[in-house]
Amino acid sequence: GQQLNQSPQSMFIQEGEDVSMNCTSSSIFNTWLWYKQDPGEGPVLLIALYKAGELTSNGRLTAQFGITRKDSFLNISASIPSDVGIYFCAGRSGSGNTGKLIFGQGTTLQVKP
Amino acid sequence: SQTIHQWPATLVQPVGSPLSLECTVEGTSNPNLYWYRQAAGRGLQLLFYSVGIGQISSEVPQNLSASRPQDRQFILSSKKLLLSDSGFYLCAWSVRSTGELFFGEGSRLTVL
Repeated sequence: GQQLNQSPQSMFIQEGEDVSMNCTSSSIFNTWLWYKQDPGEGPVLLIALYKAGELTSNGRLTAQFGITRKDSFLNISASIPSDVGIYFCAGRSGSGNTGKLIFGQGTTLQVKP
Repeated sequence: SQTIHQWPATLVQPVGSPLSLECTVEGTSNPNLYWYRQAAGRGLQLLFYSVGIGQISSEVPQNLSASRPQDRQFILSSKKLLLSDSGFYLCAWSVRSTGELFFGEGSRLTVL
C-alpha cells in the first residue's frame, strides 16, 4: 500500500533558526497537505498544495509540491517558541476527495528560546 | 464559515463501560466525515469515514463502531471499552472539491 516517510522524526533548535522537514511517498500524489498540532489539540491545516512544482507560503512557512509528485517539504524561517508542536504531512493520490489521505508519522519540533 | 465541534473533550471510563463521542459540523452540507485515533501524540490512524447519512466505512477491525444519524453528525461508540481503546480521538470533515481535511479539537479517552 501507499506509504509516507516523514523526516526528521524530531528536531530541537534554537529560536531564530530555520527549519526544514520533508515527506516522501512510494507513489504519486495529487494533493499534499501540511498540518501543525499543538499539545492536546487537533491538527490545524497550514498549507495545501495541488500542483507539481507549486511553492506556497503562509507567513514564515513555505511548502513545495515536488516535481516528481512523490515528495513535499515544509520550511519554517526564523523559528519562534510558538512554532513548537508536531508537524504532519498528508498526501492523497486522487483529486478532490477521492483516494485515501495518507499521513506521515509527524515531526516533533522543539524551539529553545 | 464552517466549524467542527466534538465532545466530550476528556473522558475517563472503566474497562467494560460503553462509549459515545459526538461530532457535529456546521456551515456545510453533505460533508465527508472521519474518525481518527492518535496514540502517544504520534501518527493518525483512520478508524471510520462516512460519505453520507447511514453510510459508514471501517478501516480497521476493532472494538468501536460509528454512526451518522444526521448529515452533519458523526458518533463514535463502543459497547464495552478495552484498555487498548485509550487514546486521542479526532473527528474531521473534508471539502469535496479540494480534499482538504479539517479536524475537531479532539477527545482524550482514558480507559482504566
